[in-house]
This record gives sequence, structure tokens and C-alpha cells, in this order.
Amino acid sequence: DSGVTQTPKHLITATGQRVTLRCSPRSGDLSVYWYQQSLDQGLQFLIQYYNGEERAKGNILERFSAQQFPDLHSELNLSSLELGDSALYFCASSGGGVGAETQYFGPGTRLLVL
Amino acid sequence: GDSVTQMEGPVTLSEEAFLTINCTYTATGYPSLFWYVQYPGEGLQLLLKATKADDKGSNKGFEATYRKETTSFHLEKGSVQVSDSAVYFCALGSSGANNLFFGTGTRLTVIP
Repeated sequence: DSGVTQTPKHLITATGQRVTLRCSPRSGDLSVYWYQQSLDQGLQFLIQYYNGEERAKGNILERFSAQQFPDLHSELNLSSLELGDSALYFCASSGGGVGAETQYFGPGTRLLVL
Repeated sequence: GDSVTQMEGPVTLSEEAFLTINCTYTATGYPSLFWYVQYPGEGLQLLLKATKADDKGSNKGFEATYRKETTSFHLEKGSVQVSDSAVYFCALGSSGANNLFFGTGTRLTVIP
């Protein structure tokens, strides 16, 4: 158990809908990262937050957004969903938010868009 | 930019066979290198890491040595077990970027 929690574990929704994925980092970690794992693209970095502020952006679509709250949990919002958004979404956390640090991953949320 | 190239899979081995999964990297500066493992239906777990040249990371019988001269971080295990069946990801983290860069993953299946 990495100490990172993610809810829900599974999500099934329809095209055009909006969903929110939730992540709680390990106790004491200030940084949260979101990754998307799909069969054709592998593991892609989406976005990073550090202590409530956006710190880095990767291949995140404009339809996707995230935030980190004062209690350090984070939410990833996916809107106008398309079939191609079906994937496993991972949250990871680390202490200082520097790339060379170890990141600890949650169990993931599996999203299926029908 | 920073990147990781990982041996393509899938790899199928008999129990007690020797395992090598190749990983090479491209990075500016001095990255940290990681191996993560993903068991079926689960998230990524850190398997081992190395933070500087010539460091050897080890865990659960797996080893990898950070070779700066060959820009490699190959994963090895002397005797695999059925329970080692999983997908293995090589990853790089550098001070120049905030995220980890992952290889494509190598699926290992160990048969009794």
C-alpha cells in the first residue's frame, strides 16, 4: 500500500458527460501528479500540483482540468468525454515536487466512456 | 529532451529462469532512475531506484545498476517466480522536469 488513495476505482459513463476523479496523497506529501495510462499512448503525464498551486503541465487536453485543495487532496475533472478518453488514470504524490524524487502511485481509476 | 527506451515485450520465461529487461535513457544532467512494477489490476509500485552513477538498486531479488557510460539501467533477476508476472516500467526523473518519464513497459509472464 503506497498510502495514496484514489476514488472511484471504476467509472462508466457516456460520451459528452463530465466526471471527477479524486486523489488523496500520502501523509506529508505536498505534490500531486496525474497520469493517464492508455493502451496506445502508454503512461502520459498530465499535470502536477504542489501545495495548492499548479506547477507543471504535460499532455493535458483543454477539456481536462485539475485542482489541489487546502487539505492537499486533488481532483481531476474530465469534461465533454470522448471514447478515446477511456483509460486508467493514476495519481501519484511526492514530498517536494521535484522530478528526481520518488513518486508513489495510487491504485488508479479505470474510466470507460461508452 | 528526457526519454526512456525500454525493451519491447512481451517476455515469457519458465520459473527459475534468468531475467533481463533492457532500459536505456537520454537525459541532460544527472537523472534519477526507477523501475516500477504493475501487477494485474493494480497500480504502479516502486520496485527499486538509483540516484547516481554506479548506484545499484535492489529489492525482492531484482537488481539494476545505473550505468552512466552506457546510459542504461537494465533490470535483472537471477531466478524468476510465477508471482513475478507483471508489467515492468523503467522511468527517469530529472531536476529539469517535474514529472517522471516512463518507458513503454514490458510484460513478463512466468510459467511454472
